[in-house]
Amino acid sequence: EDQVTQSPEALRLQEGESSSLNCSYTVSGLRGLFWYRQDPGKGPEFLFTLYSAGEEKEKERLKATLTKKESFLHITAPKPEDSATYLCAVQATGAGSYQLTFGKGTKLSVIP
Amino acid sequence: KAGVTQTPRYLIKTRGQQVTLSCSPISGHRSVSWYQQTPGQGLQFLFEYFSETQRNKGNFPGRFSGRQFSNSRSEMNVSTLELGDSALYLCASSFNSNNEQFFGPGTRLTVL
Repeated sequence: EDQVTQSPEALRLQEGESSSLNCSYTVSGLRGLFWYRQDPGKGPEFLFTLYSAGEEKEKERLKATLTKKESFLHITAPKPEDSATYLCAVQATGAGSYQLTFGKGTKLSVIP
Repeated sequence: KAGVTQTPRYLIKTRGQQVTLSCSPISGHRSVSWYQQTPGQGLQFLFEYFSETQRNKGNFPGRFSGRQFSNSRSEMNVSTLELGDSALYLCASSFNSNNEQFFGPGTRLTVL
């Protein structure tokens, strides 16, 4: 069974204080690992897809990296508008594997 | 390009009733997936449709069903509602099942 564990559950940062969110996963074969951002009362917003170990992707203050067992979302010099819940999900290989398996998320609060 | 739309946005029902939720995917997207999001369980996969065929179903009782139309629009139905069905129901579309999924704003269902 595919499993995704995110840590920490919640994180409070001062504006400008860089940090990383962790996503550990167990999957028989990885088709892709996805990062989403979700604001209260809204649907998840797509951020990144990573396909293989060693891959990195960047977008503004966010950088996602992938190893064979985990992914990190690095946040550099965060701003209050980066406050949200960040979700990690995996999609497995194999016939019939179309769904995403999500972690519970990390709730990030950036204090001015 | 218009995003994924879901109707209605909010719904209040009583136990024993049934409900139908609607999802219109991004133009050109043929895969539609449904997820249930609750504070305790997070995002859980319900089912996925591609070209009017259900290809994958999550671990939910038979009271949860869905369908997809020839224009890729999708509906999900929940019969004999229970209090535990109160949740945010999210629809996501993708060009095909191997691409990133884009989520709609969700339908907030409250069962009294």
